[in-house]
Amino acid sequence: QLQLQESGPGLVKPSETLSLTCTVSGGSISIYSYYWGWIRQPPGKGLEWIGSISYSGNTYYNPSLKSRVTISVDTSKNQFSLKVSSVTAADTAVYYCARGWLRFDYWGQGSLVTVSS
Amino acid sequence: EIVLTQSPGTLSLSPGERVTLSCRASQSVSSTYLAWYQQKPGQAPRLLIYGASSRATGIPDRFSGSGSGTDFTLTISRLEPEDYAVYYCQQYGSSLWTFGQGTKVEFK
Repeated sequence: QLQLQESGPGLVKPSETLSLTCTVSGGSISIYSYYWGWIRQPPGKGLEWIGSISYSGNTYYNPSLKSRVTISVDTSKNQFSLKVSSVTAADTAVYYCARGWLRFDYWGQGSLVTVSS
Repeated sequence: EIVLTQSPGTLSLSPGERVTLSCRASQSVSSTYLAWYQQKPGQAPRLLIYGASSRATGIPDRFSGSGSGTDFTLTISRLEPEDYAVYYCQQYGSSLWTFGQGTKVEFK
């Protein structure tokens, strides 16, 4: 059974960089045709797709966040990562990692990141 | 960028009732690229329907999806207590993924 687990700091200061890692277990991250994505959910609000990375390392970003987001993959560790720079309070959210191309079929449990000084 | 608009925002229903949720796209979406999710408080979303009408693994057959082009529907034939949740549609197109804003199904 594939499992995804987010990890990273729960508190980030304004203007700094938010960094999260998603560790995939129960399957290889480099299997052909799978994409790996990040989705966030501000408290009490809906889901927002942040970006995705393909098995080969091609990246795709939400245009509204593209200038501040970087997603990378480390196949040796079976992990992929998210960085969001210059964060503000508006970036406070539960961040989910997920597997998917046309749809997201496996999700992590989510990691709450609060932006506050 | 394709915008998905879900309606209604909230539905107040009793167990046993039939539920119909709408997802309308700002431009045509391939049915292959349309999915539905269920999210309960404190939990990650769960994939219910993909390809507009195919149930994901383990999803009860009271859940069904339909539609094409710009109009898609998620139907729960008979609402069970465990179905009270927020439902989201999602589409993929031109290397972008977008979600609708969600419909909350609450207990009446």
